[in-house]
Amino acid sequence: AQSVTQPDIHITVSEGASLELRCNYSYGATPYLFWYVQSPGQGLQLLLKYFSGDTLVQGIKGFEAEFKRSQSSFNLRKPSVHWSDAAEYFCAVSPTGTGADGLTFGKGTHLIIQP
Amino acid sequence: DAGVTQSPTHLIKTRGQQVTLRCSPKSGHDTVSWYQQALGQGPQFIFQYYEEEERQRGNFPDRFSGHQFPNYSSELNVNALLLGDSALYLCASSTGGEQYFGPGTRLTVT
Repeated sequence: AQSVTQPDIHITVSEGASLELRCNYSYGATPYLFWYVQSPGQGLQLLLKYFSGDTLVQGIKGFEAEFKRSQSSFNLRKPSVHWSDAAEYFCAVSPTGTGADGLTFGKGTHLIIQP
Repeated sequence: DAGVTQSPTHLIKTRGQQVTLRCSPKSGHDTVSWYQQALGQGPQFIFQYYEEEERQRGNFPDRFSGHQFPNYSSELNVNALLLGDSALYLCASSTGGEQYFGPGTRLTVT
C-alpha cells in the first residue's frame, strides 16, 4: 500500500525567504505525485503534479517541486514566500493520474509566515 | 463555471443519528470521490463513485455509504454516528484527470 510522510508538522519562514517543504512517499511502482494547499475554511487547491518526464515540475503561485526517485521524495519549493502563502500544505500520491483512484495524503505541513 | 459545491456547510448531529451530505461535481466531471479530514490530519479516502456505482473504497466501515445520481451529483450517508466521525468531509470530482475539491462540510457529532 502506498503512504506519504511529511516530516515537518509546522514550518515558520520569514516573508521573502525561500521555502522547502519535505515529502517522502512509499509506493512500489512509479507514483503519481501531487501537492495541494488548503487555506482556512477552504477546500484543497492543486499546486502541481508529477506524472512522468522532467523531474522538476512548475506549478501555480510560483511553486515548484522536484521528484527524486532515489530518495523517494517530492519536495515543494518556493524562492520567495509571501504572507498569503500561509496555509496547510499536503503531499499526495496516487497509483494513476486519471482521477480514477483515491489519493493518499500525508498529514500536512502548517506554514507560518513571519513579517 | 461553478466548481465543486457541497451542502450543507456545517452540521451538528447527535451520536447514533444518521447524516446525509451532498456534492455537486464540477461541470463536465463524471467521477466523485469522498474524503474525511479529521482535525490536524490529512484527508482520508472514503470511496469513489463512477457511473452510479462505487468503484473504489478506502478503509471505512459499512456505516459509510454513498450514492451517485444520473446527473453525477453524489451523497454520502453515515449511519449510527460516533463522536469520532466529527470531521471535515470533502468531495472531489474528476474526469480522467486531476481531482478538484469542494470546500467541504464540517460535521460535528455531540
